[in-house]
Amino acid sequence: NAGVTQTPKFRVLKTGQSMTLLCAQDMNHEYMYWYRQDPGMGLRLIHYSVGEGTTAKGEVPDGYNVSRLKKQNFLLGLESAAPSQTSVYFCASSYSVLPQHFGDGTRLSIL
Amino acid sequence: KNQVEQSPQSLIILEGKNCTLQCNYTVSPFSNLRWYKQDTGRGPVSLTIMTFSENTKSNGRYTATLDADTKQSSLHITASQLSDSASYICVVSVRGTYKYIFGTGTRLKVLA
Repeated sequence: NAGVTQTPKFRVLKTGQSMTLLCAQDMNHEYMYWYRQDPGMGLRLIHYSVGEGTTAKGEVPDGYNVSRLKKQNFLLGLESAAPSQTSVYFCASSYSVLPQHFGDGTRLSIL
Repeated sequence: KNQVEQSPQSLIILEGKNCTLQCNYTVSPFSNLRWYKQDTGRGPVSLTIMTFSENTKSNGRYTATLDADTKQSSLHITASQLSDSASYICVVSVRGTYKYIFGTGTRLKVLA
């Protein structure tokens, strides 16, 4: 599935470390999203973008930053990782407001 | 409060049998509803999307229904296959916003 690609697939961090998750899509979609998925909970929107150079906060934005310098890429940054940010992170893209294509996720553990 | 509730939480059926998954929502104002299939370790894959005026939509062996009056949707799987084993997630979007409310999913296991 070359539609939405997330890197890395797995990562273990220590508390306080920083890292960037990369999402790339090759479908020329305007809308891109970052979600986190935790056990027993539905996916929750962290940040989203409605086009190159734009970003906006979602439901759970605290502790994360994003950038959309190029239309095909959407970066999610953790400046100072905390154990509460241990989760599976999904990127998605779409032509319209409802996310259509998801990547296969990044599994992030913070010790 | 905008909520999406799915039932059952989990379901086990034999290969070849049919099943129906439920989604009840309290989202307002409603825009559209989408069902996703999520295989273990993979991202969600869209099965169907339904707007307010649509009652039924099919995608192969998957048929989704929507009753906007009772705020209920169902996903019916016909002649189940082992590959149908996955989580099925219902998502409702709030009209005029970028807000989407995800259900927690129904985990389906199909046994041979």
